Amino acid sequence: DSGVTQTPKHLITATGQRVTLRCSPRSGDLSVYWYQQSLDQGLQFLIQYYNGEERAKGNILERFSAQQFPDLHSELNLSSLELGDSALYFCASSLGGTSYNEQFFGPGTRLTVL
Amino acid sequence: GNSVTQMEGPVTLSEEAFLTINCTYTATGYPSLFWYVQYPGEGLQLLLKATKADDKGSNKGFEATYRKETTSFHLEKGSVQVSDSAVYFCALSPLSSNTGKLIFGQGTTLQVKP
Repeated sequence: DSGVTQTPKHLITATGQRVTLRCSPRSGDLSVYWYQQSLDQGLQFLIQYYNGEERAKGNILERFSAQQFPDLHSELNLSSLELGDSALYFCASSLGGTSYNEQFFGPGTRLTVL
Repeated sequence: GNSVTQMEGPVTLSEEAFLTINCTYTATGYPSLFWYVQYPGEGLQLLLKATKADDKGSNKGFEATYRKETTSFHLEKGSVQVSDSAVYFCALSPLSSNTGKLIFGQGTTLQVKP
């Protein structure tokens, strides 16, 4: 158990809908990362937050947004969903926000868009 | 840009065989390098890392050496076990004081048969 929790474990929804994925980092970790794992694109970095502020952005679509709250949990919002958004979404947390800080991954949320 | 290339899988070995999974990278400067492992139905776990040239990362019998001259970080284990069956990801984190985002290779599936 990494100490990072993600809810829900599974999500099934229809095209055009909007969903929210939630991540609680390990106690004491200030940074949260979101990654998408799909069969065709592999594992891709989406976005990073550090202590409530956006720190880095990757291949995140404009239909997707995220935030980190004062209690340090984070939410990833996916809207106008398309079939291609079906994927496993991972959250990871680290104490600091640099490459020297080990990232601990949650178990993921599997999103299926029908 | 930054990228990671791993050998294609799946790799199928008998128990106690020697394992090598090749990984090469393209990056500006000297990134940190990582190997992550993903067991079925779980999130990623850090296996080992190296943060500068000629560093050797090691854990649970696995080793990898940061080779600047060949831009490689090959994963090796002298004697694999059935319990090592998993997907292995090579990753880099670009040299930056601002972010620890990870850029992953496509993953290599290892299957170890008794």
